[in-house]
Amino acid sequence: DIQMTQSPSSLSASVGDRVTLTCRASQSISGSLNWYQQKPGIAPKLLIFSASNLQSGVPSRFSGSGSETDFTLSISSLQPEDFATYYCQQGYSRPHTFGQGTRLETK
Amino acid sequence: QVQLKESGPGLVKPSETLSLTCTVSGGSVSSVSYFWSWIRQPPGKGLEWIGDIHYSGRTTYNSSLKSRVSISVDTSKDQFSLNLGSVTAADTAVYYCARDLIDGLGFDFWGQGILVTVSS
Repeated sequence: DIQMTQSPSSLSASVGDRVTLTCRASQSISGSLNWYQQKPGIAPKLLIFSASNLQSGVPSRFSGSGSETDFTLSISSLQPEDFATYYCQQGYSRPHTFGQGTRLETK
Repeated sequence: QVQLKESGPGLVKPSETLSLTCTVSGGSVSSVSYFWSWIRQPPGKGLEWIGDIHYSGRTTYNSSLKSRVSISVDTSKDQFSLNLGSVTAADTAVYYCARDLIDGLGFDFWGQGILVTVSS
């Protein structure tokens, strides 16, 4: 199975900050990397698919990049509603695997 | 707009079988473009993919659960179901059903989730 590792596990930031979250795969997954946002008590929401494609309705302050084993999710200017937990997930092969998550907290 | 909703008991006894159903509305499980997945999240922890099914009946399971899990689909009702046998307290989690684009493009629609507690 492909292992997904996210860093950092938690991050403190302020409204207006630019933040970057990292996800690393244990083997090459080409560009098959998806990012989700989850708020407490709510199902995850797909933000970005295939590493860099913004899901419909997702604000343009979110962006993704990367390929093979190293990927990033950036938020250009944090808004209050962006404080949440973010997960990466590889879609390259089954079984699908998720990273352990990065919790984005307000400073 | 596609909607998914999980249903089933919220409490299961140890060693018994956890059974959940996901009902799809606003779309059809009989689409060649999608798989239909079960994903779980223990309280305070991360996401674990359990397995998925295509309308053709093709299934794939997480190897860590493969001996205990079964997923089936009922195309006439636009439903798919999860059975997880021999449960323990470690299976206590919120269980989500989700739609999975066939080319690994992500889980684009999710149910609201259902908390299943394993306890006597």
